[in-house]
Amino acid sequence: EIVMTQSPATLSVSPGETATLSCRASQSVSSNVAWYQQEPGQAPRLLIYGASTRATGIPARFSGSGSRTEFTLTISSLQSEDFAIYYCQQYNNWPPYTFGQGTKLEIK
Amino acid sequence: EVQLVESGGGLVKPGGSLRLSCEASGFTFSSYNMNWVRQAPGKGLEWVSSISASSTYIYYADSVKGRLTISRDNAKKSLYLQMNSLRAEDTAVYFCARVSGYGYFDDWGQGTLVTVSS
Repeated sequence: EIVMTQSPATLSVSPGETATLSCRASQSVSSNVAWYQQEPGQAPRLLIYGASTRATGIPARFSGSGSRTEFTLTISSLQSEDFAIYYCQQYNNWPPYTFGQGTKLEIK
Repeated sequence: EVQLVESGGGLVKPGGSLRLSCEASGFTFSSYNMNWVRQAPGKGLEWVSSISASSTYIYYADSVKGRLTISRDNAKKSLYLQMNSLRAEDTAVYFCARVSGYGYFDDWGQGTLVTVSS
């Protein structure tokens, strides 16, 4: 089973600044990583797939990068609606599909 | 517009059973693989089970194997999760999720809460 490890667990950033979230895979997953955003009481929403491709309707301030075992989600010019929990997921080797434990992005 | 609507959650005693449903609309349901993903209170996302478009391939997480059964009815555009021998640790919000052609989960339902407690 591939383990996805996200860091940090909590990230405090001020509105208007840039947030950088990390995700590490226990073995290579090529570029088969997705990022999801989850607001309280809501379903996850797909942000990024293929490590760097924005999903339909996702603003350009969200960007993803990385390959093999190291991945990054960058959110620039943070807006109030961006403060949520973010999960990475690998879909290269499954079953099982595996998620990171999440990074909570909070307002500083 | 893609819509996935789960139902069937509720309170059940340990050892009991429950059947979850997910009704799909806005896309050709019979062409997509589908999944169940759960989230325990205050915890992260955990993949539960996958079923291919024609039900040929079915997979389960080790934590639910032998107790939960995924199925689908393409004529009714519906996905199901039969949950037997439920345990306290099965308490979670259960989401159905559509799988894109590449493997990521591109659309999710709003979830249904299952609480296992005496």
